[in-house]
Amino acid sequence: DVKVTQSSRYLVKRTGEKVFLECVQDMDHENMFWYRQDPGLGLRLIYFSYDVKMKEKGDIPEGYSVSREKKERFSLILESASTNQTSMYLCATEAEAWSSYNSPLHFGNGTRLTVT
Amino acid sequence: AQKITQTQPGMFVQEKEAVTLDCTYDTSDPSYGLFWYKQPSSGEMIFLIYQGSYDQQNATEGRYSLNFQKARKSANLVISASQLGDSAMYFCAMREESSYKLIFGSGTRLLVRP
Repeated sequence: DVKVTQSSRYLVKRTGEKVFLECVQDMDHENMFWYRQDPGLGLRLIYFSYDVKMKEKGDIPEGYSVSREKKERFSLILESASTNQTSMYLCATEAEAWSSYNSPLHFGNGTRLTVT
Repeated sequence: AQKITQTQPGMFVQEKEAVTLDCTYDTSDPSYGLFWYKQPSSGEMIFLIYQGSYDQQNATEGRYSLNFQKARKSANLVISASQLGDSAMYFCAMREESSYKLIFGSGTRLLVRP
């Protein structure tokens, strides 16, 4: 089974702090994703990475950056956390080297981030 | 523009009955895939079922089936013989061949009553 591990289940940070959310996968998957989940809005894509050091912006990249130095690890960075970034963050991976429309994503358990 | 629409924020169903969760989508890409995910209160997203745009038959996986009506652009999830463990959020999602993005609807919260 695919294992996608997000380092923290719950996180509380202060406004202005730099925040790192870590995601590690054990299946040698090429593609990794960061989503944000908010009530009534579903999941929205923040960033996507298709290889080490390669990334694409998703639909809501503002206020976020990402890092992928090793294939198995994809980090989401909030350079200066703000209260409107309080949310659930979900990491996902995909087995296909080339994104295929019939390929499901495998998700981690999520990190619930609160910015005060 | 909203590409995936789930119009039922919340639903109730009696244990052992069937329930249909609605999903409509919008795309001009002839090649696309439709997915349903379940999210229990624990937060994990569990992949349930997939339907491809060229699939002639409706997808089925155990108690889950997908009622795919291509002309109407709908992909409703049918859960038969509901169980208490089916209580969760359910998300419909779509991926177009032309995009790496998996786009989600706003979700439906299902509560199964004993």
